[in-house]
Amino acid sequence: GDSVTQMEGPVTLSEEAFLTINCTYTATGYPSLFWYVQYPGEGLQLLLKATKADDKGSNKGFEATYRKETTSFHLEKGSVQVSDSAVYFCALSPSNDYKLSFGAGTTVTVRA
Amino acid sequence: DAGVIQSPRHEVTEMGQEVTLRCKPISGHDYLFWYRQTMMRGLELLIYFNNNVPIDDSGMPEDRFSAKMPNASFSTLKIQPSEPRDSAVYFCASRARGTQYFGPGTRLTVL
Repeated sequence: GDSVTQMEGPVTLSEEAFLTINCTYTATGYPSLFWYVQYPGEGLQLLLKATKADDKGSNKGFEATYRKETTSFHLEKGSVQVSDSAVYFCALSPSNDYKLSFGAGTTVTVRA
Repeated sequence: DAGVIQSPRHEVTEMGQEVTLRCKPISGHDYLFWYRQTMMRGLELLIYFNNNVPIDDSGMPEDRFSAKMPNASFSTLKIQPSEPRDSAVYFCASRARGTQYFGPGTRLTVL
């Protein structure tokens, strides 16, 4: 079945450091790919998405490119801030379904 | 737009009691999803509706769990009787244009 694997955390960084969170997927067809972010005590918020190969999603300085050849959708940010401390979830939605399959989540802590 | 609204935000109850969680989706969204989040299992899809009709309830853990969507603006998730292992954060999400939007969640504690 469809699944998402993302790098395990926790990840601890200093402010202004570069952040990468790896995400790979297994799916048939052409799924849509998402990154959601969950701040402490809150629900999940859509961070960015891509719906076809080579699409780049971007938001709030974060980027991720849909790579079909490597079945990956890695999240990157060039210079993190303390306010980026959160749990990040990679997810996919199959092309023929409306469900979301989530990765386990990666906890990111940014220190001042 | 107010986003997806869930109530209550926190619920503490005793084992054996009935618990009802409520959700108001974003207006105009035709899909509604209920998820459960725990440390052990992560995010699990429990059930989802399309145009108020349940489409897939294969994630509902037991008969103690039931969900309804009587109209396009309201859904409930009921647990009867509740057990300590039901303690989790329950999220509701609604969907439009290929994207799901999540509510703030209800943190349920069953003592």
